[in-house]
Amino acid sequence: QMQLVQSGPEVKKPGTSVKVSCKASGFTFTSSAMQWVRQARGQRLEWIGWIVVGSGNTNYAQKFQERVTITRDMSTSTAYMELSSLRSEDTAVYYCAAGLHTAMVTFWGQGTLVTVSS
Amino acid sequence: QTVVTQEPSLTVSPGGTVTLTCASSTGAVTSGYYPNWFQQKPGQAPRALIYSTSNKHSWTPARFSGSLLGGKAALTLSGVQPEDEAEYYCLLYYGGAHVFGGGTKLTVL
Repeated sequence: QMQLVQSGPEVKKPGTSVKVSCKASGFTFTSSAMQWVRQARGQRLEWIGWIVVGSGNTNYAQKFQERVTITRDMSTSTAYMELSSLRSEDTAVYYCAAGLHTAMVTFWGQGTLVTVSS
Repeated sequence: QTVVTQEPSLTVSPGGTVTLTCASSTGAVTSGYYPNWFQQKPGQAPRALIYSTSNKHSWTPARFSGSLLGGKAALTLSGVQPEDEAEYYCLLYYGGAHVFGGGTKLTVL
């Protein structure tokens, strides 16, 4: 059974960083592409970026280019998304999602609430 | 900045048919944009329904179908069920970058 399990909720202060993890199971992690998406309360889904797990190649939305880093650890089948210089507008649920290639999203993690507040 | 536009809301009667569309500010949507469609219910993560325009996942009910229609990506629900009431999002692929549509809130009434 394909599954993505994300780390727990985070509360961060403005200007700090957050790192969210996403552990994969039930499929070949090394043959997948992992996406990161966020959703502020009541808002649309917003694409952040992806990583091709096998090669480590990444691509980020222009909006997040300077602040986001997506990585993976193939030994633990885990993907990570780190967002720096946090501001209140970054408060959202962050999702990881997986697919066979970068243009395909097959299934999603349960989401991680990141709250940025002073 | 690329914008992907969906109908904000649609209403359909149980058993009816409804088509949701997904337009790109850059022009006609083609198969090269690899349209994906997702369903999201309140408090839940999105669930994938369609990939690469018209391909269904193993769990996608047969009443859901994807296509290209008049320069847009389209998601058609035939024989709508009450449990289909949800927000639906399309996702287009711009040669590396993804852009989500604004979502369509589908009401079954």
